[in-house]
Amino acid sequence: AQTVTQSQPEMSVQEAETVTLSCTYDTSESDYYLFWYKQPPSRQMILVIRQEAYKQQNATENRFSVNFQKAAKSFSLKISDSQLGDAAMYFCALTTSGTYKYIFGTGTRLKVLA
Amino acid sequence: DADVTQTPRNRITKTGKRIMLECSQTKGHDRMYWYRQDPGLGLRLIYYSFDVKDINKGEISDGYSVSRQAQAKFSLSLESAIPNQTALYFCATSDPGWPYGYTFGSGTRLTVV
Repeated sequence: AQTVTQSQPEMSVQEAETVTLSCTYDTSESDYYLFWYKQPPSRQMILVIRQEAYKQQNATENRFSVNFQKAAKSFSLKISDSQLGDAAMYFCALTTSGTYKYIFGTGTRLKVLA
Repeated sequence: DADVTQTPRNRITKTGKRIMLECSQTKGHDRMYWYRQDPGLGLRLIYYSFDVKDINKGEISDGYSVSRQAQAKFSLSLESAIPNQTALYFCATSDPGWPYGYTFGSGTRLTVV
């Protein structure tokens, strides 16, 4: 069975600083994708970044980057130069080859302090 | 207009009442999903549909039913609402090819009193 674990229910970061959100996962499949979604107070689920398991290079999207450690089954999200608009719930998710289903973690609430 | 539209946005209902949450999408995709979000539990799959005639239970389908009225419409019903069904409900559609990128609606917050 696939699992996704986010061990940090809540994190805080000072504006302009860097923060890292943790995610670990478990799957026996070799072909899978990992995602980070952002859920601001508007409730909309917004895809932040995704990583294909076969790609060794860590994905980056502007101020967002991941540290993908395949052997350790770790997929952390780094937010650089944090902004007030980054305050949200962040979900890590996993989908494996040939399946329709996404497995979500329990989420990390990020607070950004001015 | 949003790609995936959910109505209502918020709803308060009484225990024992039947309630329907509606979802429509303009992506033209066959696959649609209903997820439930609870604090500390993340999102969990209730039902999913691969096309109008193909509807399947997810991991937490008890107490829920669905109807796929058309490719674009997928409704979730609570036949007799109970307080522990208080949650945020998301509808989503996915791309036809793997990794089946999801497009979510903006959610329906349901409170059962």
